[in-house]
Amino acid sequence: AQSVTQLDSQVPVFEEAPVELRCNYSSSVSVYLFWYVQYPNQGLQLLLKYLSGSTLVKGINGFEAEFNKSQTSFHLRKPSVHISDTAEYFCAVRRKLTFGQGTILTVHP
Amino acid sequence: GAVVSQHPSWVICKSGTSVKIECRSLDFQATTMFWYRQFPKQSLMLMATSNEGSKATYEQGVEKDKFLINHASLTLSTLTVTSAHPEDSSFYICSARSVGFDGYTFGSGTRLTVV
Repeated sequence: AQSVTQLDSQVPVFEEAPVELRCNYSSSVSVYLFWYVQYPNQGLQLLLKYLSGSTLVKGINGFEAEFNKSQTSFHLRKPSVHISDTAEYFCAVRRKLTFGQGTILTVHP
Repeated sequence: GAVVSQHPSWVICKSGTSVKIECRSLDFQATTMFWYRQFPKQSLMLMATSNEGSKATYEQGVEKDKFLINHASLTLSTLTVTSAHPEDSSFYICSARSVGFDGYTFGSGTRLTVV
């Protein structure tokens, strides 16, 4: 069985501040991990993914995430956010692509 | 890159009628497609996995006779909500798997409102 827990349902932050969205997972097998972004009334867009290799994964829009096997975490980070980053972010684990509960990131000017 | 087109983007229907949602992979062949349902302020819940040429695999608690899935070709899967009721109102999203494990591409979603 596999599951994903996003520890924060909402994260408010000011523009140009750094942000971290937390994700923990559980799985009985080796994992592939993903972060997706969803804008209102739209589908999901892939930000980044971890399949194997380097534990630090860089994605689109300046986001990156670090796979930590010992802590079973895959936290998403961005050093400086923009207003346009306001959206809902989902962490997911394969194979059926199980999603976390989502984190709403709101960037304030 | 891989593109998935989902249609319609929104639909309003009367209670008791049926609604069909289409999910097409435009530039790749998708042997497997997934259907998700998303309630307001909630995560995506997998409803079923659709494999081309075979019966869909439904998740526990999803009514097979209510949510009919057809994956007749490598580029098209359809979800039909039969005898829709107001509680079926939701945001439905499809996803197609392209080459490789990481090739999940999502449609733009369909907002269904049953009145």
